[in-house]
Amino acid sequence: NAGVMQNPRHLVRRRGQEARLRCSPMKGHSHVYWYRQLPEEGLKFMVYLQKENIIDESGMPKERFSAEFPKEGPSILRIQQVVRGDSAAYFCASSPPGQKDTQYFGPGTRLTVL
Amino acid sequence: AQKITQTQPGMFVQEKEAVTLDCTYDTSDPSYGLFWYKQPSSGEMIFLIYQGSYDQQNATEGRYSLNFQKARKSANLVISASQLGDSAMYFCAMTLSRAGNNRKLIWGLGTSLGVNP
Repeated sequence: NAGVMQNPRHLVRRRGQEARLRCSPMKGHSHVYWYRQLPEEGLKFMVYLQKENIIDESGMPKERFSAEFPKEGPSILRIQQVVRGDSAAYFCASSPPGQKDTQYFGPGTRLTVL
Repeated sequence: AQKITQTQPGMFVQEKEAVTLDCTYDTSDPSYGLFWYKQPSSGEMIFLIYQGSYDQQNATEGRYSLNFQKARKSANLVISASQLGDSAMYFCAMTLSRAGNNRKLIWGLGTSLGVNP
C-alpha cells in the first residue's frame, strides 16, 4: 500500500505565476489535510477536505489560495499570483474513515518563489 | 484558544543517553489527542507517538515514551538510549476530538535535537 504521495517535491515559481501542488492520499483514505511550514517554523493548518467537499478552510489565506479534492484524482492546492512570502513547505496528510486521530503525511512540496 | 508550547528551541544529548523534550498544551476541551512527530533534515514528517486525553497509561513506542501529566497540561517526549539517527526536529501537536471528523493538528514550533557521538 503506497503512502501519501505529493508532487512535485520541489517547485520553483516566479512572482505572479501560479503554483499547483498535488496530493494523492493513501488508498481508501477519504480525508485530506493541507499544512504549511514556513522557514524555521512549525506547521500551520490550512484546509481539511473530504471527497468533493471543503470541510474546514479556516487556515487558508483569504485570497489567491484554493483547494479541491475531486471525486476522482488527487487533491490540489492552488496558489495564484505567488509572492515571495508563499515560499514554504506544503504538507498533505490523509486519514481513513474510522481512524480519526491518525494522519499519514506525504513528503511535502517545497515551493520557492523567486 | 488551543496552543502548543515547546520551550526548547535546540538541545544536545550524548549518544546512548536519554533525553526529554518538553511540550505543554492549552485547551479547555476535555477530549483531545497529543502527538509527537520527527522531521529529519530530509524534510519528511514521521509520526512517533500518540496519547489520548482519556488514556490511563502513558503511551510507549519502542524507545519513545510520552510522559503525560494531565493536571500540568504537559506531554513530554522521552527518547531512551539516543542514537545518532535521532538528530532531527521534533514537533508536538494536538488535535481536538470534539470537532467531529475534523482532526486538524495544532503544532508547536519544534525542538532541534542533536545527538553527539
